[in-house]
Amino acid sequence: SQKIEQNSEALNIQEGKTATLTCNYTNYSPAYLQWYRQDPGRGPVFLLLIRENEKEKRKERLKVTFDTTLKQSLFHITASQPADSATYLCALERGSTLGRLYFGRGTQLTVWP
Amino acid sequence: SQTIHQWPATLVQPVGSPLSLECTVEGTSNPNLYWYRQAAGRGLQLLFYSVGIGQISSEVPQNLSASRPQDRQFILSSKKLLLSDSGFYLCAWRGAGLKYGYTFGSGTRLTVV
Repeated sequence: SQKIEQNSEALNIQEGKTATLTCNYTNYSPAYLQWYRQDPGRGPVFLLLIRENEKEKRKERLKVTFDTTLKQSLFHITASQPADSATYLCALERGSTLGRLYFGRGTQLTVWP
Repeated sequence: SQTIHQWPATLVQPVGSPLSLECTVEGTSNPNLYWYRQAAGRGLQLLFYSVGIGQISSEVPQNLSASRPQDRQFILSSKKLLLSDSGFYLCAWRGAGLKYGYTFGSGTRLTVV
C-alpha cells in the first residue's frame, strides 16, 4: 500500500535557524509533490508544488527539494520566525490519478524566540 | 477572486442521526471539488472527489455519500452517523491546471456522541 511518512511528529527550533522537514514515500511514482501549512482548527494552506522532473523550488524563505531516487522531499524554512510555528503537511499526486492528493500526517513545527 | 465556503463550523450529532455538510465555491466555474476528513492523530484522508455536476468518485467505502447538484456546490451526507464518523471535514477545490495546489475551506468539526 502507499505510504507517506513525515520524519517526526514535532520539531522545535530556535528563531533564526533553518527548519528542515522530511517527507518520505513508498510505492508511489508521484508526478507532483506539494507542501501545505495548517494552523490549529483551520484548513491547510498551499505553500509550494514541485514536479517530478524538478529538483528544487523556492519561494521567499521556503525551499523544497525532490529526489525521486531517494523517494524523498525536504522542506526548508530559512531564518525561521515564531510565526512559522504550525503543522506542515506533505502531499503527493500520482500520475495515474491526477487531481487526487494523498497526505502525510504532518510535522508540528515550533519556533521559539 | 475565488473563495470557498463551508458550513457549519462545528457540529455535535447523536449516533444514528443524519448529516449534511455543504460546500460552495465562488469565482470559478467547473472546479474539481474534494471532501477530506482529518481524524485525530491521522493525516487527511480523501473521501470523495467530483469533476462535474453529478459526477462523484469515492475513495474509500464508508458510511458517507456525496453529491454535486450544482457546478459550485458539493454536499457530504450520511443517513446514520457512527461514532467513527467524528473528525474534521474539509472541502477543497483546485484551480485550472495541475500546477496549482488545493484551496481548502475552513472545515467542519463533527463530533458524534
